[in-house]
Amino acid sequence: DTGVSQDPRHKITKRGQNVTFRCDPISEHNRLYWYRQTLGQGPEFLTYFQNEAQLEKSRLLSDRFSAERPKGSFSTLEIQRTEQGDSAMYLCASSLMLAGNNEQFFGPGTRLTVL
Amino acid sequence: GDSVTQMEGPVTLSEEAFLTINCTYTATGYPSLFWYVQYPGEGLQLLLKATKADDKGSNKGFEATYRKETTSFHLEKGSVQVSDSAVYFCALPNRDDKIIFGKGTRLHILP
Repeated sequence: DTGVSQDPRHKITKRGQNVTFRCDPISEHNRLYWYRQTLGQGPEFLTYFQNEAQLEKSRLLSDRFSAERPKGSFSTLEIQRTEQGDSAMYLCASSLMLAGNNEQFFGPGTRLTVL
Repeated sequence: GDSVTQMEGPVTLSEEAFLTINCTYTATGYPSLFWYVQYPGEGLQLLLKATKADDKGSNKGFEATYRKETTSFHLEKGSVQVSDSAVYFCALPNRDDKIIFGKGTRLHILP
């Protein structure tokens, strides 16, 4: 399967713990996006990378959140000192940025539950 | 800012019924418009898209027409199947192609 993969698919943690999620994009894709989806809502943009550069962060991304894409391939999203309000589905998407076509392909998501 | 509003669900229909899920948008300029589908336990998939006014996107029997005059992109299907049960999201790309999604409409199709 050459689609976007995310690991883990589910994570249950206690409040105050740190968690890290991984996203592996489609191999030739230069853009990678993170979104968050809470229950009953559509996904909301968090941050994105072009190659290894993080180009924008949403105001939704508090200081407890950090994302990296060290070699322009896979990406990690870390949440420090988790809070119950962080419980959500975290979605990763990748795209090959070309003029006139930037279709984003989504992974299956990581569902985080903070107890 | 740019936004998308779609009808709230859940929507429950019998198999072979006609489906309409309403979507309206607010945007600067004339962005592309998308419908994404999320099947249970799976990631979001692009169902169809339209890139300019009066374009009709279609896929898997679903259709949506980009209506500039009513700022709408309603999703339709003439005869739904049980396998169409999913959550449907209307969406548009913002600058830098970040996608703005509606809240989603859950569709249940009864056999």
